[in-house]
Amino acid sequence: DTGVSQNPRHKITKRGQNVTFRCDPISEHNRLYWYRQTLGQGPEFLTYFQNEAQLEKSRLLSDRFSAERPKGSFSTLEIQRTEQGDSAMYLCASSLTRGSYNEQFFGPGTRLTVL
Amino acid sequence: KNEVEQSPQNLTAQEGEFITINCSYSVGISALHWLQQHPGGGIVSLFMLSSGKKKHGRLIATINIQEKHSSLHITASHPRDSAVYICAVRTSGTYKYIFGTGTRLKVLA
Repeated sequence: DTGVSQNPRHKITKRGQNVTFRCDPISEHNRLYWYRQTLGQGPEFLTYFQNEAQLEKSRLLSDRFSAERPKGSFSTLEIQRTEQGDSAMYLCASSLTRGSYNEQFFGPGTRLTVL
Repeated sequence: KNEVEQSPQNLTAQEGEFITINCSYSVGISALHWLQQHPGGGIVSLFMLSSGKKKHGRLIATINIQEKHSSLHITASHPRDSAVYICAVRTSGTYKYIFGTGTRLKVLA
């Protein structure tokens, strides 16, 4: 499968615990995006990388959230001291800097439940 | 007010009906992306366009840049079309998407 993959697909954790999610983009894609989607809403932008550089972060990304893409390939999103309000679907997408559309391709998401 | 608005929010149709989902946006864009999301979260790309019209099978997408409006049409709808349809725009000068809240479509047999 050459699409975007995310692990784990589901994560249940207790409030106050730290969690880390991984995203593997399509192999030649140099841009990688993280979004968060709560129930009944459209996804909201969190952050994006071009290669290993984190170029933009949303105000939604509080200091408990950190994202990395150390070698410009896979990325991790860590949430420290999770809160119940962090419960959501975390989506990753990737795109290639070529062509006019820069179309994003989405992974299956990681569903986080904070108890 | 959201920068990307979709209507209707929910839609129930009988199999075979012609369906239209609308997307209006208030920001300058470089492209608009129609996406389909099934229960469980997976998002599938339908169309990406910046002008005119695109057709793929029973799906047609149109965009009017001057009016800041796009429509997604489904002809001869089928129960397997039941999903959430999301409009996303790539704003001018950035690479991130801004999403609408989605239209939940249910097609009854």
